[in-house]
Amino acid sequence: LAKTTQPISMDSYEGQEVNITCSHNNIATNDYITWYQQFPSQGPRFIIQGYKTKVTNEVASLFIPADRKSSTLSLPRVSLSDTAVYYCLYNNDMRFGAGTRLTVKP
Amino acid sequence: GAVVSQHPSWVICKSGTSVKIECRSLDFQATTMFWYRQFPKQSLMLMATSNEGSKATYEQGVEKDKFLINHASLTLSTLTVTSAHPEDSSFYICSAEWPVDGYTFGSGTRLTVV
Repeated sequence: LAKTTQPISMDSYEGQEVNITCSHNNIATNDYITWYQQFPSQGPRFIIQGYKTKVTNEVASLFIPADRKSSTLSLPRVSLSDTAVYYCLYNNDMRFGAGTRLTVKP
Repeated sequence: GAVVSQHPSWVICKSGTSVKIECRSLDFQATTMFWYRQFPKQSLMLMATSNEGSKATYEQGVEKDKFLINHASLTLSTLTVTSAHPEDSSFYICSAEWPVDGYTFGSGTRLTVV
């Protein structure tokens, strides 16, 4: 498995903001951090990528502190369809960690 | 964005036969592709890194003679499961490096060996 650590599971309710943190203590200077979403029986889907500070796109935000040893994926106002497994990776190591299974409840 | 096409999406084969899975990068070239296996309720396990024009690099514990990888062109990598057995039944996924924002994954192949 990769050298990333995430919570195994999280529960949330519709409309809430969800923050999932990933630890990557061994990240290298030239590594980017990428987050993926996976639904059952599908391949992972790209969510967001960043190197440092904050990145935002139409679906999520990514916060990376100055030391880059962790990153936080922020999903604003989740819906039931956001129930999935979320993985963080850095681009020079394509081994997946266990991921975080997010369950959004009505 | 980049699209990786994986075929077939599902396949059932008899024990002892071989199955080939194709992974194509559409509209972009991929010198490196990755093959994963995923069992139910588990994470993706990297099997091998496929390099165009050279031999694949296999992860520790993955039998290279059982899982043959060929990356003969910049848009196509294939994984052949040889002499398949029921324990090889799994979800196989490929990915390719998309220069813009990382890696793009195929939709996966569900292999069932009976």
